Amino acid sequence: EADIYQTPRYLVIGTGKKITLECSQTMGHDKMYWYQQDPGMELHLIHYSYGVNSTEKGDLSSESTVSRIRTEHFPLTLESARPSHTSQYLCASSEASGRTGDEQFFGPGTRLTVL
Amino acid sequence: QKEVEQNSGPLSVPEGAIASLNCTYSDRGSQSFFWYRQYSGKSPELIMFIYSNGDKEDGRFTAQLNKASQYVSLLIRDSQPSDSATYLCAVDDTGKLIFGQGTTLQVKP
Repeated sequence: EADIYQTPRYLVIGTGKKITLECSQTMGHDKMYWYQQDPGMELHLIHYSYGVNSTEKGDLSSESTVSRIRTEHFPLTLESARPSHTSQYLCASSEASGRTGDEQFFGPGTRLTVL
Repeated sequence: QKEVEQNSGPLSVPEGAIASLNCTYSDRGSQSFFWYRQYSGKSPELIMFIYSNGDKEDGRFTAQLNKASQYVSLLIRDSQPSDSATYLCAVDDTGKLIFGQGTTLQVKP
């Protein structure tokens, strides 16, 4: 079983607030990812990191930012939340396999509601 | 834009039947293929991965890959009501994964 954690699990906040979604993994994986998923819809990659001090934007444009100061920690920050940010945010990690794609393990997710 | 296509379903099968889930992808250079299961309100969990043409079996699950046709499928034998979920196909894209929209499977008792 993958050891990847996300907090909080649920968050309801008002418009304009700054929030940070936490993601930590204890597997020593170099690669970490953030996805956004609306109910019944597909996963969209919004950020990823291949190691400490490495971050990249994903395929879906996002107003969020990320940092990777430690291998195990990959927080996502929204400086000013808006109702359009309401979604499920999923964090994942993978170990570099040398292949072109790696098995990703997902955290339990954070369901964000912005009023 | 690389794409992964799945029929959203729902695919409904009776308990004990074989469920067949299909996925096509656009990038002929893709080499790694994954199937995830996602229960409603939960996060995806990895079921199987396949890298080579042909079949790969794991318990009741069989993944089939045909790179020439750019087609990957998942067969679930002896389907159980607990298999009712959304099944996501994912294909590698230069170190990342591109996910399909998923196929919802309903197994009726």
